[in-house]
Amino acid sequence: QKEVEQNSGPLSVPEGAIASLNCTYSDRGSQSFFWYRQYSGKSPELIMFIYSNGDKEDGRFTAQLNKASQYVSLLIRDSQPSDSATYLCAGRRSGTYKYIFGTGTRLKVLA
Amino acid sequence: DAGVIQSPRHEVTEMGQEVTLRCKPISGHDYLFWYRQTMMRGLELLIYFNNNVPIDDSGMPEDRFSAKMPNASFSTLKIQPSEPRDSAVYFCASSWGQGTPNYGYTFGSGTRLTVV
Repeated sequence: QKEVEQNSGPLSVPEGAIASLNCTYSDRGSQSFFWYRQYSGKSPELIMFIYSNGDKEDGRFTAQLNKASQYVSLLIRDSQPSDSATYLCAGRRSGTYKYIFGTGTRLKVLA
Repeated sequence: DAGVIQSPRHEVTEMGQEVTLRCKPISGHDYLFWYRQTMMRGLELLIYFNNNVPIDDSGMPEDRFSAKMPNASFSTLKIQPSEPRDSAVYFCASSWGQGTPNYGYTFGSGTRLTVV
């Protein structure tokens, strides 16, 4: 089992819809989680981080964390074609400063 | 703020040659990370430093890989000798720890390495 798992996609949603990206993790001690967006040929850029159970909202983005289920998600409201990218989930391994990345979910927003 | 600066952006080399990748972290950041990204394996952490000291190099694939951070503003990742399977995009990232590192990383633009 990979430490951080994501469905590779592609996940296709129509413009204006809500895109839901999911991530599960195996290290129960992991405390902090991050979502990065990576456009093709570019470096990952940080969208959000979350470390408390529940929801955290930032503009069109909402991160959700459920530590009991070891589940992290990212919701993108009013999806735009410019949101089309690969979304990487990362968790900080407990007791370390190591961030372990999932392999990413490719999102396609259809105009 | 210039961000994390990596050089070169692209490197094409022949198998067996030595390759050196360079990174300048964001000023004030006390953590530096080297990652490798491939289609098959995604982003893999190779090594990370705190205050110029290597903390965890368990991700370095073989003795052919070595990394140094001689000062707070410069790090290198060296591959000697290089092999075709080392072809990947190598990212450097830096962050500010300060006890509760919930700040995430800032990545450099990456070096695309092709070994032929």
